[in-house]
Amino acid sequence: LAKTTQPISMDSYEGQEVNITCSHNNIATNDYITWYQQFPSQGPRFIIQGYKTKVTNEVASLFIPADRKSSTLSLPRVSLSDTAVYYCLVGPNRDDKIIFGKGTRLHILP
Amino acid sequence: GAGVSQTPSNKVTEKGKYVELRCDPISGHTALYWYRQSLGQGPEFLIYFQGTGAADDSGLPNDRFFAVRPEGSVSTLKIQRTERGDSAVYLCASSLPGGPQHFGDGTRLSIL
Repeated sequence: LAKTTQPISMDSYEGQEVNITCSHNNIATNDYITWYQQFPSQGPRFIIQGYKTKVTNEVASLFIPADRKSSTLSLPRVSLSDTAVYYCLVGPNRDDKIIFGKGTRLHILP
Repeated sequence: GAGVSQTPSNKVTEKGKYVELRCDPISGHTALYWYRQSLGQGPEFLIYFQGTGAADDSGLPNDRFFAVRPEGSVSTLKIQRTERGDSAVYLCASSLPGGPQHFGDGTRLSIL
């Protein structure tokens, strides 16, 4: 499974747009990029998944450049409740174990 | 609809005791996964079921850990002769074929 690198922590303010970038230099042709969010005392929650270009849903957008060696999760107009750990994962879109890294600890300030 | 349910939410027991942790997946989800998470770390894979059979148990740390899913729905993770190092949050997830994994909120296991 492709290894990912993402910032350990980030701070931002309410109402701002937050972009978290993940590097995955050895992504394979059949790999997808998936992001999970985890609040304290809860299990991880699926946010978004993409293969190339841009994917948008009601929660976030995912930007993937043509070479797919990195990706950026974009959270529009964050609120205090977006404070969480965000995990970037890369792997084939099939039933398989997830290899989690340490994620990015996002702290939203008032 | 109901999500993944894990019971108990908290379990405190003494070193050397046997524990069982239960997971009720989302109805219709054929794949079921167990992970454990230590403080400040991402979840660590333990075992994955496809239906009733364990498709991948490579993450089980040793033979004190065992999991079953006898009817392809509910799963039980069993830990024998617990040790203090087994203390962690044990997470269960389920998914449809090829779909994202949906996690429960875990069982916080504390070994005294």
